[in-house]
Amino acid sequence: GQQVMQIPQYQHVQEGEDFTTYCNSSTTLSNIQWYKQRPGGHPVFLIQLVKSGEVKKQKRLTFQFGEAKKNSSLHITATQTTDVGTYFCAGRGNFNKFYFGSGTKLNVKP
Amino acid sequence: NAGVTQTPKFQVLKTGQSMTLQCAQDMNHEYMSWYRQDPGMGLRLIHYSVGAGITDQGEVPNGYNVSRSTTEDFPLRLLSAAPSQTSVYFCASKLRQGVMNTGELFFGEGSRLTVL
Repeated sequence: GQQVMQIPQYQHVQEGEDFTTYCNSSTTLSNIQWYKQRPGGHPVFLIQLVKSGEVKKQKRLTFQFGEAKKNSSLHITATQTTDVGTYFCAGRGNFNKFYFGSGTKLNVKP
Repeated sequence: NAGVTQTPKFQVLKTGQSMTLQCAQDMNHEYMSWYRQDPGMGLRLIHYSVGAGITDQGEVPNGYNVSRSTTEDFPLRLLSAAPSQTSVYFCASKLRQGVMNTGELFFGEGSRLTVL
């Protein structure tokens, strides 16, 4: 079946350092979404990428969708303590099914 | 708008008991879905629905039933609870994907279920 793998599982950084999480799918995706889940909270939508090679920025966050539409990344520049949480990618496959990666838990030390 | 509302927030069951997790949304979303979240495994799709009267299985449907009699409600039923169903359950909904929307999933706050 379809799988979306996400690495790393955990990342501990010092405030001000950069952070990157990567997603890889076993099959081509029609689009990919990214979500953030704060500790004890629920996932909240960040962005959707649709086009091959697409790059989108939201302030310190940069999202990329691979040329083959099988991989994606989220990069945070100069992390802040407010970035703490778990970041999930979600690839949309066939028939309205969203396949979530296992998530990357980010901890930021002040 | 309340968004996506899940009840109960917490529940403890004994093995073999049945229960229903409720999910309601007031955003007129066609698509509704249930996920379970377990440590290190992300969110796994249990069942989903693209409209009233239509449901389909996700990745991990065994042990769960759903129905969609109205656009607003999408209950998840556990007929005979097992310890392996101890998890946090999230309901999520979205509009049908179109030019004017991103297709983002709106999540409820979650229901934490423990099966002893």
